[in-house]
Amino acid sequence: DTAVSQTPKYLVTQMGNDKSIKCEQNLGHDTMYWYKQDSKKFLKIMFSYNNKELIINETVPNRFSPKSPDKAHLNLHINSLELGDSAVYFCASSQGTSDSGNTIYFGEGSWLTVV
Amino acid sequence: GQNIDQPTEMTATEGAIVQINCTYQTSGFNGLFWYQQHAGEAPTFLSYNVLDGLEEKGRFSSFLSRSKGYSYLLLKELQMKDSASYLCAVKDSNYQLIWGAGTKLIIKP
Repeated sequence: DTAVSQTPKYLVTQMGNDKSIKCEQNLGHDTMYWYKQDSKKFLKIMFSYNNKELIINETVPNRFSPKSPDKAHLNLHINSLELGDSAVYFCASSQGTSDSGNTIYFGEGSWLTVV
Repeated sequence: GQNIDQPTEMTATEGAIVQINCTYQTSGFNGLFWYQQHAGEAPTFLSYNVLDGLEEKGRFSSFLSRSKGYSYLLLKELQMKDSASYLCAVKDSNYQLIWGAGTKLIIKP
């Protein structure tokens, strides 16, 4: 069984479009994250939610809007896509908040290409 | 600023031992993680160090020296499947994870 699953895995879309990436975890974790991994391979946190509440909101354009309907789901909606948004987006989860040593489990990633 | 430094790429031979170093300068320290990431896949957890010393887990070991801002990941009896990127990440004083860019390890027969 997949622990952290995200869809779609691959997404090619035109500039200016709006798209969503969905994420679900079946680990019973309290905290979920969205990370962006760019071409230089740096993993950068975008958002973190704990029990459906936003706890980390890094400096990302407000075109990116996370939504957590319940603690097992954290979706990412992106408006007015730009070429620079092309990257791999990883959903992740962990037990407890970020102020602990708990391991982060990653989804398989969503490869977004904006053309 | 906060910084995690790792070599960009390393090459080693199957059956050998390799050490991947990580140095960090962060605002505070609340633990260091090593993750493995195969090409096109998600990072997977390898180890966690919060106290100085060596943590051994099978063929993989991780060492931490907080006073030196230094860690290494030691891989023994290298196998071809160990070809991957190895990511070092540090939790700072705000418990946020700061990630290195990863070290691409190439294993040759």
